[in-house]
Amino acid sequence: SQKIEQNSEALNIQEGKTATLTCNYTNYSPAYLQWYRQDPGRGPVFLLLIRENEKEKRKERLKVTFDTTLKQSLFHITASQPADSATYLCALGLGNAGNMLTFGGGTRLMVKP
Amino acid sequence: DAGITQSPRYKITETGRQVTLMCHQTWSHSYMFWYRQDLGHGLRLIYYSAAADITDKGEVSDGYVVSRSKTENFPLTLESATRSQTSVYFCASRNLGGTEAFFGQGTRLTVV
Repeated sequence: SQKIEQNSEALNIQEGKTATLTCNYTNYSPAYLQWYRQDPGRGPVFLLLIRENEKEKRKERLKVTFDTTLKQSLFHITASQPADSATYLCALGLGNAGNMLTFGGGTRLMVKP
Repeated sequence: DAGITQSPRYKITETGRQVTLMCHQTWSHSYMFWYRQDLGHGLRLIYYSAAADITDKGEVSDGYVVSRSKTENFPLTLESATRSQTSVYFCASRNLGGTEAFFGQGTRLTVV
């Protein structure tokens, strides 16, 4: 069966540390993978995209890696801040030219001061 | 205001009633999507539309109907609401050739 798995348990880290979130998938061949941030009571907000032929992408304190052999993406937030506390969702771009986005269940990140 | 807006934000309805959730975007994006978000299931795709008058089913389309007579609007109708359709519903849009999806603020629907 097709699955996108993110750690359903909350990730608690200390301010200033690097947070690493994992997204694993099975039986999909995505054209790309995205990461979104979702705050309570709000819709998801796009953060980063990485394509199937890319290994790593960076944006400010964010870094995403994509291993299509392992079928895994890692999402890193360096020098984490309490304001980074949120739920982070990974999404696979599927179908014709990646027209359909299929989401994982999300991981809640708590950054403690 | 520009962007993507959903209405209502909150809705309580009774089992068996028809309910329509509205979604409006001002960017003229080609693609529009409806998702539902439930604890333990994440975001699941209900329906999507590639353009006006073109719609297609997603993963959990049973019990839902959509239409897209205009590019900017993508209403979602629950024909006969059931308690299992209690959820938070998100509408999203994306431009043709783009990859980033823009989400509305969500509608919390409770079916009693």
